[in-house]
Amino acid sequence: EPEVTQTPSHQVTQMGQEVILRCVPISNHLYFYWYRQILGQKVEFLVSFYNNEISEKSEIFDDQFSVERPDGSNFTLKIRSTKLEDSAMYFCASSEKAWNGEQYFGPGTRLTVT
Amino acid sequence: ILNVEQSPQSLHVQEGDSTNFTCSFPSSNFYALHWYRWETAKSPEALFVMTLNGDEKKKGRISATLNTKEGYSYLYIKGSQPEDSATYLCAFKQAGTALIFGKGTTLSVSS
Repeated sequence: EPEVTQTPSHQVTQMGQEVILRCVPISNHLYFYWYRQILGQKVEFLVSFYNNEISEKSEIFDDQFSVERPDGSNFTLKIRSTKLEDSAMYFCASSEKAWNGEQYFGPGTRLTVT
Repeated sequence: ILNVEQSPQSLHVQEGDSTNFTCSFPSSNFYALHWYRWETAKSPEALFVMTLNGDEKKKGRISATLNTKEGYSYLYIKGSQPEDSATYLCAFKQAGTALIFGKGTTLSVSS
């Protein structure tokens, strides 16, 4: 069964460093998403991506964040200068349809900023 | 600020019991309601996406209903099994806004 994959599973970085989180969505999906969950808090939407551009983003997704689909398979989230409060589990998801379709989540990347 | 409330926060049932949870959301500008099942150490798994008032969806022993006019959805599990133990998340989308998640209902089923 096709699945969304994410790498790395755990990333430790120092404050101020850039990190890139990688995702490989399901191959025939057209819509891609990033979410995060800070420990003990709700899952939060960051950004959605369709047709090679951002379709929606939340207030969390400020200038420090960017997304890219550099080739036909990868979907990346970059944080330019990490802060302590960026420590969270980051989930990538993909779907065939937009918000009225089921989203398939990856296993997540745990980002720890020290 | 838009908010999604789920109740109860957690519950514990015996194998074979039927149970249900509630997801409450703003009733205006409804677009979609998602239910996910999230087992520990795994990723959220989509159960249902509901878009129309009165929608009823079923997958095996799990079913869900949607009332967009009053702003709630119920998730039902019939004859709970230990493998149903998980956190059940609902997420709501209004037109023009991001998907907003509730905190989830954590179900524990004892054999």
